[in-house]
Amino acid sequence: AQSVAQPEDQVNVAEGNPLTVKCTYSVSGNPYLFWYVQYPNRGLQFLLKYITGDNLVKGSYGFEAEFNKSQTSFHLKKPSALVSDSALYFCAVSDALAGNNDMRFGAGTRLTVKP
Amino acid sequence: KAGVTQTPRYLIKTRGQQVTLSCSPISGHRSVSWYQQTPGQGLQFLFEYFSETQRNKGNFPGRFSGRQFSNSRSEMNVSTLELGDSALYLCASSLTTSGGIDTQYFGPGTRLTVL
Repeated sequence: AQSVAQPEDQVNVAEGNPLTVKCTYSVSGNPYLFWYVQYPNRGLQFLLKYITGDNLVKGSYGFEAEFNKSQTSFHLKKPSALVSDSALYFCAVSDALAGNNDMRFGAGTRLTVKP
Repeated sequence: KAGVTQTPRYLIKTRGQQVTLSCSPISGHRSVSWYQQTPGQGLQFLFEYFSETQRNKGNFPGRFSGRQFSNSRSEMNVSTLELGDSALYLCASSLTTSGGIDTQYFGPGTRLTVL
């Protein structure tokens, strides 16, 4: 079955600095990769996805992610962090072989952007 | 377009009772997935329904069940509630193009507390 790892529980960055939230995955077939953000007491909001095509995917709120097949990674990045980016970020993967929306999530990474 | 709606938003039950949660997907979306979110276990996949059929099921006991109606609305039922069932239950809908996998859009969740 597919799985996702987010190696960092917490990431702290200063406002204006670049940020990276790491994600690695494991699937049997081709991966469908997603990033979601969750604000306190809210559901998950979709940020971006990779299905096929360019390895660099651009998403909402200035976020982007780079798909690296050899390293089985899908790190989330943003060139300049904002305090309002502080939230819980989830990486998720579905396996194309499964042919359904059985999405597996990482444990989440709490991003804190300090002024 | 209206987003995914979940009712009720908050629920308090006692052990042994049963509960039914409701999810209305985005108009036109045919796939509905359910997830359980807890601080200890994170986000865990419960099941997915597509065109009124359960397409996939996560590793949860039979006390957890669901169904989908012809208008794509879905309900999730938990019988014989246990303290450990206290969680945020999230519903997600997706359009699901060919291949069975598509971006999932989440509702705000139902916060279930079991006393």
